[in-house]
Amino acid sequence: QVQLQESGPGLVKPSETLSLTCAVSGGSMNNYFWSWIRQPPGKGLEWVGYIYHMGSTKYNPSLKSRVTISIDASKNQSSLRLSSVSADDTAVYYCARGPVRYHDILTGRGSEAFDIWGQGTMVSVSS
Amino acid sequence: DIQMTQSPSALSASVGDKVTITCRASQTIDSSLNWYQQKPGKAPKLLIYAASSLHSGVPSRFSGSGSGSDFTLTITSLQPEDSATYYCQQSYNGPPYTFGQGTKLEIK
Repeated sequence: QVQLQESGPGLVKPSETLSLTCAVSGGSMNNYFWSWIRQPPGKGLEWVGYIYHMGSTKYNPSLKSRVTISIDASKNQSSLRLSSVSADDTAVYYCARGPVRYHDILTGRGSEAFDIWGQGTMVSVSS
Repeated sequence: DIQMTQSPSALSASVGDKVTITCRASQTIDSSLNWYQQKPGKAPKLLIYAASSLHSGVPSRFSGSGSGSDFTLTITSLQPEDSATYYCQQSYNGPPYTFGQGTKLEIK
């Protein structure tokens, strides 16, 4: 089955750029959106942004000026870059497949969800 | 952005109990609501999509209901492995996607 694995430095200095990679195995990245979601220690989840396999992106407006998500579908990888980091960017960073459109034909209802997640990678911002 | 508010923030219950977690959106979101379960040190797992539909492989003791701006996650016949933090997430009108602050469930 599809599995995701994040990788990258666990420590980044303030004002520098955080760079992470998400490797997808067991399936193709084609025809899906791929998101980055983060979780500060002891806190909730924040959607960072997504990229479609063709390369179009959407970012959280709260981070938009600092975020870049890219994709290399031939290598089954997506990447996250977050510039000018501060201590507020300390978090576990997850890559996830989605949003994926789910539709229940019995109820006629639908939603977009994140259905497969990587294990996450902790990034600390500190000098 | 659409704000999602969960209640309670934490609760404790015994094996076999029934618990209900509430999620309220700051505006109507139809049925564009998902629920996730997160265990310590692990990634979230999708439990329910479209407010009430069970994701593949999720035990039937989990159920969801609601539409508009008020939603509930119900767990019947609690099991020890249900100890986790539960999050709601809205997908109404696309990004930005937002999550509730989480509800931590402890099994006594």
